[in-house]
Amino acid sequence: QSALTQPASVSGSPGQSITISCTGTSSDVGGYNYVSWYQQHPGKAPKLMIYEVSNRPSGVPDRFSGSKSGNTASLTISGLQAEDEADYYCSSYTSSSTLVVFGTGTKVTVL
Amino acid sequence: QITLKESGPTLVKPTQTLTLTCTFSGFSLSTSGVGVGWIRQPPGKALEWLALIYWDDDKRYSPSLKSRLTITKDTSKNQVVLTMTNMDPVDTATYYCAHRLPTDAFDIWGQGTMVTVSS
Repeated sequence: QSALTQPASVSGSPGQSITISCTGTSSDVGGYNYVSWYQQHPGKAPKLMIYEVSNRPSGVPDRFSGSKSGNTASLTISGLQAEDEADYYCSSYTSSSTLVVFGTGTKVTVL
Repeated sequence: QITLKESGPTLVKPTQTLTLTCTFSGFSLSTSGVGVGWIRQPPGKALEWLALIYWDDDKRYSPSLKSRLTITKDTSKNQVVLTMTNMDPVDTATYYCAHRLPTDAFDIWGQGTMVTVSS
């Protein structure tokens, strides 16, 4: 089971919008609407930001949004803020026996 | 309120077996659809999913580590235990347990426990 592919880094200025991609296959991202996104600040546990492709848990700012097209899911952060600087990971349900696959991770830098 | 907390040794020697316990509250592992997973993160590296156990005792493992991992649950104690055999320095990492929703997302994570493998 290969990890989902994410860009190593993405950067933007405060107030701008950035998008992080997460590319898989038809056996995971493309085949199911069970993509989730996690934010991780240094030394902290990951935090769920998006589930089921585009749903936000309670308390997550609406600046964070998710979408999917084919085998690629995306996380968009609108109105980028300094506190958004963190690592972001995608994850998907997969039809393989493992059921779980994570992405390679993306470091977001706020310039 | 759901909480999870990992416990176990901070230092293990190469070839030893690691046993980690995830003690949780705020949910029952006998509730349909609920699961608990283990995920690790070597220093400076990405998250790596290890194992998952569901309310019906369905167990799943990372293919690359399957031969070394065992996950079990004790519903009465609200605990999930992960054992990893034949530890190696490359297994040095922070180990997290997390609550898994029926929607296949890990919504609540423990604080993590750092395990160092060294002689």
